Amino acid sequence: KQEVTQIPAALSVPEGENLVLNCSFTDSAIYNLQWFRQDPGKGLTSLLLIQSSQREQTSGRLNASLDKSSGRSTLYIAASQPGDSATYLCAAPLYFTQGGSEKLVFGKGTKLTVNP
Amino acid sequence: NAGVTQTPKFQVLKTGQSMTLQCAQDMNHEYMSWYRQDPGMGLRLIHYSVGAGITDQGEVPNGYNVSRSTTEDFPLRLLSAAPSQTSVYFCASRASGTGIWHTEAFFGQGTRLTVV
Repeated sequence: KQEVTQIPAALSVPEGENLVLNCSFTDSAIYNLQWFRQDPGKGLTSLLLIQSSQREQTSGRLNASLDKSSGRSTLYIAASQPGDSATYLCAAPLYFTQGGSEKLVFGKGTKLTVNP
Repeated sequence: NAGVTQTPKFQVLKTGQSMTLQCAQDMNHEYMSWYRQDPGMGLRLIHYSVGAGITDQGEVPNGYNVSRSTTEDFPLRLLSAAPSQTSVYFCASRASGTGIWHTEAFFGQGTRLTVV
């Protein structure tokens, strides 16, 4: 059974700070991990999908890493801005059907506040 | 590029009423799924589909029905609404991918449902 944990549940930083969000998973037999952003009252926006063969994936000021052996993924945000304030969720697929899984196991998220 | 579109955005139902939440995607994705998001519970899979005419249950399917008559649409039906179904519902889609290369999941903006 795959369990995904995100610690801390909330994080508050001053503008301009570099920060790291953490995601831990129990089943290391994953093929990929996806990071999402959710703004209050909104849907989930995909940020990065990192495959198991890719140790890192970058998009702008975001960098995600994946270490299957330790069961961890991190999302690095450089030079944080107030507009980065949101809840960040990570999700790993749970394979229970032949041909591919349709279940993403989500962490409960880290609520990030970037203060001006 | 609309992506995943959910309607309505908000809905209030009385206990016992039925309704259909609509989900449409314009990316020609084979896989579609429905999640519900509740405080403290995270996102949980209700039903999913791996293609037109094929659906299966997720982890919390009771009280919901789905069908997939076209690639584009995946409606979720509440048969007899109960207060426990008060939640935010998200529809997601993704391409089928090749082998172990799990593709990126895209989510709609959600439907906020209140059952009184």
